[in-house]
Amino acid sequence: GESVGLHLPTLSVQEGDNSIINCAYSNSASDYFIWYKQESGKGPQFIIDIRSNMDKRQGQRVTVLLNKTVKHLSLQIAATQPGDSAVYFCAEAGGGSYIPTFGRGTSLIVHP
Amino acid sequence: NAGVMQNPRHLVRRRGQEARLRCSPMKGHSHVYWYRQLPEEGLKFMVYLQKENIIDESGMPKERFSAEFPKEGPSILRIQQVVRGDSAAYFCASSPRAGGAHNEQFFGPGTRLTVL
Repeated sequence: GESVGLHLPTLSVQEGDNSIINCAYSNSASDYFIWYKQESGKGPQFIIDIRSNMDKRQGQRVTVLLNKTVKHLSLQIAATQPGDSAVYFCAEAGGGSYIPTFGRGTSLIVHP
Repeated sequence: NAGVMQNPRHLVRRRGQEARLRCSPMKGHSHVYWYRQLPEEGLKFMVYLQKENIIDESGMPKERFSAEFPKEGPSILRIQQVVRGDSAAYFCASSPRAGGAHNEQFFGPGTRLTVL
């Protein structure tokens, strides 16, 4: 069936490096994508979103890239900090639905 | 402005008991969403409510689970006759309007339910 999934379950990086977290989606009706950060013991926190009419969107230290041809989404974090350590989820919504479908998550570990 | 509040933060129940999870949305928010998260998995949508109305319950099991959002007071997710498979983290989120962008949907800290 249609699904949203992540390539890597765990990503370890050194402080100061750039991090790239990837996500594949298969629902061609998806037109809205969101990245969330979830720290241990907390609820998800919105990071950045992108609509399907865009290829790239930048926030503070984060960039989301959308490749609709291969149905791929990525989150880039510049100058990763220990406080960025968390589980990152991509989620998609489409067809007018306001309810996001979450992927499994990638655990980002930042080593000082 | 306090964020989304959930209580209890941790709840332990024995099989067959009832679990009641409460969610107080952010001030000014009249839309509440409940999600369930199993260990090492993403959140799965359960139900979407507005004040006194269930808008979408497509993700909620038909039996044993119910949700309400009364005119006054918090939203309640109720699980009757709990089973071990109900053990999970339950999150609620609130937003100020229907179909809002997801940067307007804020999550609470969750209730971790353990069924013995």
